Amino acid sequence: GDSVTQMEGPVTLSEEACLTINCTYTATGYPSLFWYVQYPGEGLQLLLKATKADDKGSNKGFEATYRKETTSFHLEKGSVQVSDSAVYFCALRLGTYKYIFGTGTRLKVLA
Amino acid sequence: DAGVIQSPRHEVTEMGQEVTLRCKPISGHDYLFWYRQTMMRGLELLIYFNNNVPIDDSGMPEDRFSAKMPNASFSTLKIQPSEPRDSAVYFCASSPSETSYYEQYFGPGTRLTVT
Repeated sequence: GDSVTQMEGPVTLSEEACLTINCTYTATGYPSLFWYVQYPGEGLQLLLKATKADDKGSNKGFEATYRKETTSFHLEKGSVQVSDSAVYFCALRLGTYKYIFGTGTRLKVLA
Repeated sequence: DAGVIQSPRHEVTEMGQEVTLRCKPISGHDYLFWYRQTMMRGLELLIYFNNNVPIDDSGMPEDRFSAKMPNASFSTLKIQPSEPRDSAVYFCASSPSETSYYEQYFGPGTRLTVT
């Protein structure tokens, strides 16, 4: 079935370090791909999206490229800040409003 | 806009009791979603509505769970009777139909603890 697999956390980094959170997917058809972020005590917020192969989504210094050949959508940031500490969810959407979310990766950034 | 509003934010109840979670979507959004988040299973879609009509309830775990949307500005998720394994964070989200990529706007969640 359709699924999303994320790297397990927690990921702990020092401020200004580079970040990569891996995400791969399995889907029939051509999904749209998303990264959502959840700050402590809050609901999920859309961080970035890509709707077709080779699209690059970007927002707040984060980037992810839709790679159809490797079925991946890895999240990257060149220099993380303490304020980036949160849980990051990779998700796909197929055709309708139904999303499939990954299990989330917790990021902790130390000053 | 106030965003998606959920109440209560925290609920502690005893096994066997009825629990009702409430959600007010963003005004003008046509779609409403209920999710459950646990450490073991992650974020699961329970049910979603379009224009107040339930479209897909295949994620509702069992008959103890029911959801209603009597009007465009209010939805409830009810668990009767509740069990300890229902302990989780329950999120409501809404989405406007005109958005091409169908972004979902999440509420802050209700943390349910069943003892």
